[in-house]
Amino acid sequence: KQEVTQIPAALSVPEGENLVLNCSFTDSAIYNLQWFRQDPGKGLTSLLLIQSSQREQTSGRLNASLDKSSGRSTLYIAASQPGDSATYLCAPTTSGTYKYIFGTGTRLKVLA
Amino acid sequence: DAGVTQSPTHLIKTRGQHVTLRCSPISGHKSVSWYQQVLGQGPQFIFQYYEKEERGRGNFPDRFSARQFPNYSSELNVNALLLGDSALYLCASSWGQNMNTEAFFGQGTRLTVV
Repeated sequence: KQEVTQIPAALSVPEGENLVLNCSFTDSAIYNLQWFRQDPGKGLTSLLLIQSSQREQTSGRLNASLDKSSGRSTLYIAASQPGDSATYLCAPTTSGTYKYIFGTGTRLKVLA
Repeated sequence: DAGVTQSPTHLIKTRGQHVTLRCSPISGHKSVSWYQQVLGQGPQFIFQYYEKEERGRGNFPDRFSARQFPNYSSELNVNALLLGDSALYLCASSWGQNMNTEAFFGQGTRLTVV
């Protein structure tokens, strides 16, 4: 059974800092892993999708890496801004299933 | 292009009642999935439909049911509502059946059961 853990659970940093959010998963047989952002009470916004054959993906100030063998993914946010404040969720999909498994997320607050 | 749209955005129901939530996927997407998100937790998988057939079901009671229509829109039905059903219900659409394509989520329906 796939289990996802995200560390830290919460993070508060001053504006401009570079950040690393961690995601670990127990079953390495994954199709892909997707990172999402969620603002309070809102839906999920897709940030990055990493296929199982890829090592990393980049979009603007965001970079996500994937190490299947160790069951880990990291989301790197460069030069953080107050608008980055949100909860960040990682979700792998396990081969042979049709669902994402979510962790409880990292609540990020970037202070101006 | 419109994203994934869900209706209604908010809903208040009484214990024991029935509720229907609706989802319209992104144009061209044939797969719709439903998730329940309780406050403070990550979303939990309820159903996936592809080409109008159920392809996956999560660990939810039979009070939860869903269907997908020929235009690929979907409904989630919950019978005999319990207080514990209060949550944000999220719909996701993707192009393919397997979860190897990017999934896009709607803004959710906030259901409160009193």
